[in-house]
Amino acid sequence: EAEVAQSPRYKITEKSQAVAFWCDPISGHATLYWYRQILGQGPELLVQFQDESVVDDSQLPKDRFSAERLKGVDSTLKIQPAELGDSAMYLCASSYAVKAYEQYFGPGTRLTVT
Amino acid sequence: GIQVEQSPPDLILQEGANSTLRCNFSDSVNNLQWFHQNPWGQLINLFYIPSGTKQNGRLSATTVATERYSLLYISSSQTTDSGVYFCAVEVDNNDMRFGAGTRLTVKP
Repeated sequence: EAEVAQSPRYKITEKSQAVAFWCDPISGHATLYWYRQILGQGPELLVQFQDESVVDDSQLPKDRFSAERLKGVDSTLKIQPAELGDSAMYLCASSYAVKAYEQYFGPGTRLTVT
Repeated sequence: GIQVEQSPPDLILQEGANSTLRCNFSDSVNNLQWFHQNPWGQLINLFYIPSGTKQNGRLSATTVATERYSLLYISSSQTTDSGVYFCAVEVDNNDMRFGAGTRLTVKP
């Protein structure tokens, strides 16, 4: 069964350093999402891509976060500089298309900022 | 924005018991999904259920979209059912909004 791949699974970084996460969606899925999940809460959408274009990045803290999906397949989420409050689980999901399609999630990257 | 409320927040069961988890939402939605988050943090798809009733083994779900709620039923619970159950609803452009989750603990 096809799965969403993410790496790394765990990342520990020091405050003010740069960190990057990678996601490879299910083959054929045009829509890709990055979510952040703080401990004890539900995931919250950071950014949504349709192919290589950003559909929604209204919740992305653009002063330090950036995301790209250059060829419309895999995607990278970057944080620079990392802050203590960025410690969270970062989840990637994909779906066949934008509206009313089931989303599938990857295993996530657990980030700890020290 | 849309509000998604899950109840109860915490649930402790003895193995073999049945349970019902509820998800209320404040506006019309395009779809609704139930997920189980395992201890390693991965979200496992349980149901894609914008309306109607579905069953998968010991789990079933019902969504009454006109009344803005969904129910997840777990029968004959097992210790492997432990974890957090999330309801998520889709608003415009597939923007999924998650509830705060129900933390289920099944004791042997």
